[in-house]
Amino acid sequence: QQQVKQSPQSLIVQKGGISIINCAYENTAFDYFPWYQQFPGKGPALLIAIRPDVSEKKEGRFTISFNKSAKQFSLHIMDSQPGDSATYFCAARTGGSYIPTFGRGTSLIVHP
Amino acid sequence: ETGVTQSPTHLIKTRGQQVTLRCSSQSGHNTVSWYQQALGQGPQFIFQYYREEENGRGNFPPRFSGLQFPNYSSELNVNALELDDSALYLCASSLDLGTVLNEQYFGPGTRLTVT
Repeated sequence: QQQVKQSPQSLIVQKGGISIINCAYENTAFDYFPWYQQFPGKGPALLIAIRPDVSEKKEGRFTISFNKSAKQFSLHIMDSQPGDSATYFCAARTGGSYIPTFGRGTSLIVHP
Repeated sequence: ETGVTQSPTHLIKTRGQQVTLRCSSQSGHNTVSWYQQALGQGPQFIFQYYREEENGRGNFPPRFSGLQFPNYSSELNVNALELDDSALYLCASSLDLGTVLNEQYFGPGTRLTVT
């Protein structure tokens, strides 16, 4: 049972474009939604996270949009750069738990 | 770099063998979680150790076991290896439990191949 569904599986974007990755969840007990970035040969690293009491969070070129009623959230990467090429995972966890449930990941390639 | 180290980097084992993977947590962190990341998938939670005690377990069989030592480093042991155990094994360390603001930091992983 996949509790966090992520799409697309892969994404190719030109430099300067906008990358959009979408996730959906079912468990309404989730109350913390982190995004992780993973480069080849490395473990996932926290990129940005949001709690459901806000609809949007922005950090530099990275923005999370959150729709609580639809149980969906998305990552937008503005002005995408070749250095952003990595695998991105959305995740969700319940309060007080360090155990995130991960999506299957999106492989992003940004062409120069 | 996160300060979380794992060894070995790569490992090849034969079906039926046993394997031990090691993790050194970030300085000051007392909680270690282990994850299995199959190719093309997100990490799946195996179990977590807090102050040397198992504190939660995912949907993995008992042949997956672990230890945490007084210095908070940790081991993951897998017995009777199966082909499907081939994956990247990640450990993540964090400080204490139950505090959302305390994030966990992942190591680079150990790539296990079972033939």
